[in-house]
Amino acid sequence: AIQMTQSPSSLSASVGDRVIITCRASQGIGNDLAWYQQKPGKAPKLLIYTVSSLQSGVPSRFSGSGSGTDFTLTISSLQPEDFATYYCLQDYIYPWTFGQGTKVEIK
Amino acid sequence: QVQLVESGGGVVQPGKSLRLSCAASSFTFSTYAMHWVRQAPAKGLEWVAVISSNGNNKYYADSVKGRFTISRDNSKNTLHLLMNSLKPEDTSVYYCANAFGVVPLSDWGQGTLVTVSS
Repeated sequence: AIQMTQSPSSLSASVGDRVIITCRASQGIGNDLAWYQQKPGKAPKLLIYTVSSLQSGVPSRFSGSGSGTDFTLTISSLQPEDFATYYCLQDYIYPWTFGQGTKVEIK
Repeated sequence: QVQLVESGGGVVQPGKSLRLSCAASSFTFSTYAMHWVRQAPAKGLEWVAVISSNGNNKYYADSVKGRFTISRDNSKNTLHLLMNSLKPEDTSVYYCANAFGVVPLSDWGQGTLVTVSS
């Protein structure tokens, strides 16, 4: 199975900060990479699919980039509602696999 | 709006079976692939299984292969997960989610908790 490695595992940031989360695949996955946000006790929410396509209703401060094996999620200006855990997902080949998550906390 | 409602979770002894269901509404269920994803307490997300829109193709995570069976009833807009030979490490919140085209896991249910314990 393809392994997805996220970094960092956690970070502390302030409102207004630019935040970058990275995800590395153990082999090439084309552009089949998605990002999810999860808040405590809630189901995950799709933010971005096919590396950089913004899901309907997701604020434009979220963006994705990358190709092949290395991908990033960028939050251009962190808002209070963005404190959550973020996961990448490869949907290139079954079994689909998630990264281990990045917890974004308030500094 | 799209609604996915899981049911069937609970406490079950190791080695026993449990069947989860996911009732779908407000989208054309028969045209979407459907997935199960789970999350152990205080852990990350783990993809479990998928079934194609017509039910002909199914794939599983290695951790559940041979024990879990995914199925669907398009006439009732319902997804199922039959879990046999349950182990304590299967303890998780189980979510159902839909997928269409290049958009993976776009809508999710609220989850149902399965606890495997003696």
